[in-house]
Amino acid sequence: RKEVEQDPGPFNVPEGATVAFNCTYSNSASQSFFWYRQDCRKEPKLLMSVYSSGNEDGRFTAQLNRASQYISLLIRDSKLSDSATYLCVVMGGGTSYGKLTFGQGTILTVHP
Amino acid sequence: DTAVSQTPKYLVTQMGNDKSIKCEQNLGHDTMYWYKQDSKKFLKIMFSYNNKELIINETVPNRFSPKSPDKAHLNLHINSLELGDSAVYFCASSQGTGGDEQYFGPGTRLTVT
Repeated sequence: RKEVEQDPGPFNVPEGATVAFNCTYSNSASQSFFWYRQDCRKEPKLLMSVYSSGNEDGRFTAQLNRASQYISLLIRDSKLSDSATYLCVVMGGGTSYGKLTFGQGTILTVHP
Repeated sequence: DTAVSQTPKYLVTQMGNDKSIKCEQNLGHDTMYWYKQDSKKFLKIMFSYNNKELIINETVPNRFSPKSPDKAHLNLHINSLELGDSAVYFCASSQGTGGDEQYFGPGTRLTVT
Protein backbone atom coordinates (compact mmCIF):
# COMPACT_ATOMS: atom_id res chain seq x y z
CA ARG A 1 0.00 0.00 0.00
CA LYS A 2 1.31 3.45 -0.92
CA GLU A 3 2.06 5.78 1.99
CA VAL A 4 -0.25 8.44 0.57
CA GLU A 5 -2.83 7.49 -2.02
CA GLN A 6 -5.02 9.74 -4.15
CA ASP A 7 -7.36 9.22 -7.06
CA PRO A 8 -5.27 10.66 -9.91
CA GLY A 9 -8.35 11.72 -11.88
CA PRO A 10 -8.47 13.63 -14.09
CA PHE A 11 -11.55 15.43 -12.89
CA ASN A 12 -13.18 17.58 -15.58
CA VAL A 13 -15.88 19.84 -14.19
CA PRO A 14 -17.76 22.93 -15.41
CA GLU A 15 -17.34 26.29 -13.78
CA GLY A 16 -19.48 26.59 -10.69
CA ALA A 17 -19.40 22.89 -9.89
CA THR A 18 -18.50 21.40 -6.53
CA VAL A 19 -15.75 18.81 -6.59
CA ALA A 20 -14.29 16.63 -3.85
CA PHE A 21 -10.92 14.93 -3.65
CA ASN A 22 -10.05 12.07 -1.33
CA CYS A 23 -6.77 10.84 0.06
CA THR A 24 -5.76 7.99 2.35
CA TYR A 25 -2.53 7.52 4.26
CA SER A 26 -1.01 4.37 5.69
CA ASN A 27 1.02 5.55 8.69
CA SER A 28 -1.22 6.02 11.72
CA ALA A 29 1.59 7.94 13.47
CA SER A 30 1.44 10.74 10.89
CA GLN A 31 1.41 14.14 12.54
CA SER A 32 0.34 16.83 10.11
CA PHE A 33 -1.62 17.01 6.91
CA PHE A 34 -1.77 19.44 4.04
CA TRP A 35 -3.11 20.10 0.59
CA TYR A 36 -0.66 21.62 -1.88
CA ARG A 37 -1.48 22.86 -5.35
CA GLN A 38 0.81 22.49 -8.35
CA ASP A 39 0.15 24.28 -11.63
CA CYS A 40 1.48 22.79 -14.85
CA ARG A 41 5.30 23.01 -14.97
CA LYS A 42 5.39 25.04 -11.76
CA GLU A 43 6.39 24.41 -8.18
CA PRO A 44 3.97 23.13 -5.52
CA LYS A 45 2.43 25.74 -3.21
CA LEU A 46 0.62 25.25 0.05
CA LEU A 47 -3.15 25.49 -0.36
CA MET A 48 -4.14 24.73 3.21
CA SER A 49 -3.32 22.73 6.28
CA VAL A 50 -5.82 20.10 7.41
CA TYR A 51 -7.03 19.82 10.99
CA SER A 52 -9.12 17.19 12.75
CA SER A 53 -11.82 19.74 13.39
CA GLY A 54 -12.01 20.54 9.70
CA ASN A 55 -11.13 23.91 8.28
CA GLU A 56 -12.40 26.22 5.62
CA ASP A 57 -10.73 28.88 3.52
CA GLY A 58 -13.18 30.61 1.24
CA ARG A 59 -14.42 28.06 -1.29
CA PHE A 60 -12.09 25.36 0.02
CA THR A 61 -12.89 22.98 2.87
CA ALA A 62 -10.50 20.35 4.20
CA GLN A 63 -11.38 17.47 6.50
CA LEU A 64 -9.30 14.91 8.36
CA ASN A 65 -10.53 11.61 9.77
CA ARG A 66 -7.69 10.13 11.82
CA ALA A 67 -9.60 6.94 12.65
CA SER A 68 -10.06 6.15 8.96
CA GLN A 69 -6.73 7.75 7.95
CA TYR A 70 -8.57 9.76 5.37
CA ILE A 71 -8.25 13.35 4.18
CA SER A 72 -10.57 15.25 1.88
CA LEU A 73 -10.68 18.54 0.01
CA LEU A 74 -13.91 20.12 -1.18
CA ILE A 75 -13.92 22.93 -3.72
CA ARG A 76 -17.17 24.83 -4.13
CA ASP A 77 -18.11 27.11 -7.03
CA SER A 78 -15.15 26.01 -9.14
CA LYS A 79 -13.31 28.67 -11.13
CA LEU A 80 -11.24 28.25 -14.28
CA SER A 81 -8.23 29.26 -12.20
CA ASP A 82 -8.71 26.23 -9.93
CA SER A 83 -7.40 24.00 -12.75
CA ALA A 84 -4.26 22.41 -11.33
CA THR A 85 -2.94 19.27 -9.68
CA TYR A 86 -3.89 18.92 -6.02
CA LEU A 87 -1.37 17.12 -3.85
CA CYS A 88 -2.28 15.42 -0.60
CA VAL A 89 0.69 15.69 1.77
CA VAL A 90 1.33 13.93 5.06
CA MET A 91 4.06 14.66 7.58
CA GLY A 92 5.39 11.62 9.38
CA GLY A 93 5.80 11.09 13.09
CA GLY A 94 8.45 9.34 15.13
CA THR A 95 11.61 8.74 13.12
CA SER A 96 9.88 10.28 10.08
CA TYR A 97 9.10 13.52 11.91
CA GLY A 98 9.45 16.47 9.56
CA LYS A 99 9.43 14.34 6.44
CA LEU A 100 6.67 15.21 3.98
CA THR A 101 5.25 12.42 1.84
CA PHE A 102 3.33 13.53 -1.23
CA GLY A 103 0.52 11.73 -2.99
CA GLN A 104 0.75 11.48 -6.74
CA GLY A 105 -1.76 14.28 -7.14
CA THR A 106 -5.27 14.66 -8.49
CA ILE A 107 -5.62 16.57 -11.73
CA LEU A 108 -8.50 19.03 -11.92
CA THR A 109 -9.62 20.78 -15.08
CA VAL A 110 -12.40 23.35 -14.81
CA HIS A 111 -13.96 24.23 -18.15
CA PRO A 112 -16.27 27.09 -19.18
CA ASP B 1 12.51 39.26 -4.76
CA THR B 2 12.38 35.52 -5.36
CA ALA B 3 12.03 33.66 -2.05
CA VAL B 4 13.61 30.36 -3.13
CA SER B 5 15.72 30.41 -6.27
CA GLN B 6 17.43 27.62 -8.15
CA THR B 7 20.01 27.60 -10.92
CA PRO B 8 20.00 26.46 -13.58
CA LYS B 9 16.35 26.18 -14.58
CA TYR B 10 17.14 23.71 -17.35
CA LEU B 11 20.06 21.32 -17.58
CA VAL B 12 20.72 18.98 -20.49
CA THR B 13 23.76 16.76 -20.19
CA GLN B 14 25.16 13.42 -21.23
CA MET B 15 25.39 10.23 -19.25
CA GLY B 16 28.49 9.99 -17.12
CA ASN B 17 28.86 13.74 -16.59
CA ASP B 18 28.94 15.47 -13.20
CA LYS B 19 26.65 18.43 -12.58
CA SER B 20 25.55 20.72 -9.78
CA ILE B 21 22.31 22.52 -9.00
CA LYS B 22 22.31 25.51 -6.67
CA CYS B 23 19.59 26.72 -4.36
CA GLU B 24 19.29 29.86 -2.29
CA GLN B 25 16.52 31.11 -0.01
CA ASN B 26 16.15 34.66 1.32
CA LEU B 27 13.36 33.88 3.78
CA GLY B 28 15.62 33.42 6.78
CA HIS B 29 14.46 29.82 7.12
CA ASP B 30 16.45 27.24 9.07
CA THR B 31 15.55 24.17 7.02
CA MET B 32 16.09 23.36 3.37
CA TYR B 33 15.18 20.36 1.24
CA TRP B 34 15.80 18.67 -2.08
CA TYR B 35 12.96 16.83 -3.81
CA LYS B 36 12.83 14.84 -7.04
CA GLN B 37 9.72 14.78 -9.22
CA ASP B 38 9.85 12.01 -11.79
CA SER B 39 7.98 11.60 -15.06
CA LYS B 40 4.98 10.14 -13.22
CA LYS B 41 4.83 13.35 -11.17
CA PHE B 42 5.62 11.72 -7.83
CA LEU B 43 7.41 14.22 -5.62
CA LYS B 44 9.86 12.51 -3.26
CA ILE B 45 12.12 13.95 -0.64
CA MET B 46 15.82 13.30 -1.06
CA PHE B 47 17.56 15.34 1.63
CA SER B 48 16.86 17.88 4.32
CA TYR B 49 19.24 20.19 6.17
CA ASN B 50 18.58 22.19 9.31
CA ASN B 51 21.10 24.92 10.05
CA LYS B 52 23.64 23.23 7.78
CA GLU B 53 23.15 19.85 9.46
CA LEU B 54 21.81 16.87 7.48
CA ILE B 55 18.61 15.63 9.12
CA ILE B 56 16.85 13.63 6.40
CA ASN B 57 18.70 11.39 4.00
CA GLU B 58 16.40 9.15 2.04
CA THR B 59 17.54 6.12 0.09
CA VAL B 60 19.33 8.04 -2.62
CA PRO B 61 22.36 6.77 -4.59
CA ASN B 62 25.59 8.11 -3.17
CA ARG B 63 26.23 9.75 -6.55
CA PHE B 64 24.02 12.49 -5.11
CA SER B 65 25.79 14.69 -2.57
CA PRO B 66 24.14 17.71 -0.99
CA LYS B 67 26.16 20.53 0.47
CA SER B 68 25.00 23.37 2.69
CA PRO B 69 27.67 26.08 3.02
CA ASP B 70 25.29 28.17 5.15
CA LYS B 71 21.65 27.95 6.12
CA ALA B 72 20.56 30.05 3.13
CA HIS B 73 22.12 27.73 0.56
CA LEU B 74 21.73 24.07 -0.28
CA ASN B 75 23.44 22.73 -3.37
CA LEU B 76 23.11 19.33 -4.99
CA HIS B 77 25.99 17.69 -6.81
CA ILE B 78 25.38 14.65 -8.96
CA ASN B 79 28.22 12.43 -10.17
CA SER B 80 28.18 10.02 -13.10
CA LEU B 81 24.73 11.01 -14.30
CA GLU B 82 22.41 8.24 -15.50
CA LEU B 83 19.34 8.29 -17.74
CA GLY B 84 17.13 7.59 -14.72
CA ASP B 85 18.29 10.82 -13.09
CA SER B 86 16.19 12.78 -15.60
CA ALA B 87 13.54 14.57 -13.56
CA VAL B 88 12.61 17.92 -12.11
CA TYR B 89 14.53 18.72 -8.93
CA PHE B 90 12.88 21.10 -6.48
CA CYS B 91 14.56 22.89 -3.64
CA ALA B 92 12.37 24.01 -0.73
CA SER B 93 12.73 25.73 2.61
CA SER B 94 10.74 26.02 5.82
CA GLN B 95 11.12 27.86 9.10
CA GLY B 96 11.44 24.74 11.23
CA THR B 97 11.57 20.97 10.86
CA GLY B 98 7.96 20.26 11.82
CA GLY B 99 4.77 20.97 9.98
CA ASP B 100 5.75 24.43 8.78
CA GLU B 101 4.79 25.49 5.28
CA GLN B 102 7.45 24.59 2.76
CA TYR B 103 8.26 27.11 0.07
CA PHE B 104 9.46 25.60 -3.17
CA GLY B 105 11.83 26.94 -5.76
CA PRO B 106 10.85 26.94 -9.45
CA GLY B 107 12.56 23.62 -10.12
CA THR B 108 15.48 22.48 -12.26
CA ARG B 109 14.51 20.29 -15.20
CA LEU B 110 17.37 17.84 -15.70
CA THR B 111 17.56 15.80 -18.89
CA VAL B 112 20.24 13.17 -19.23
CA THR B 113 20.86 11.92 -22.77
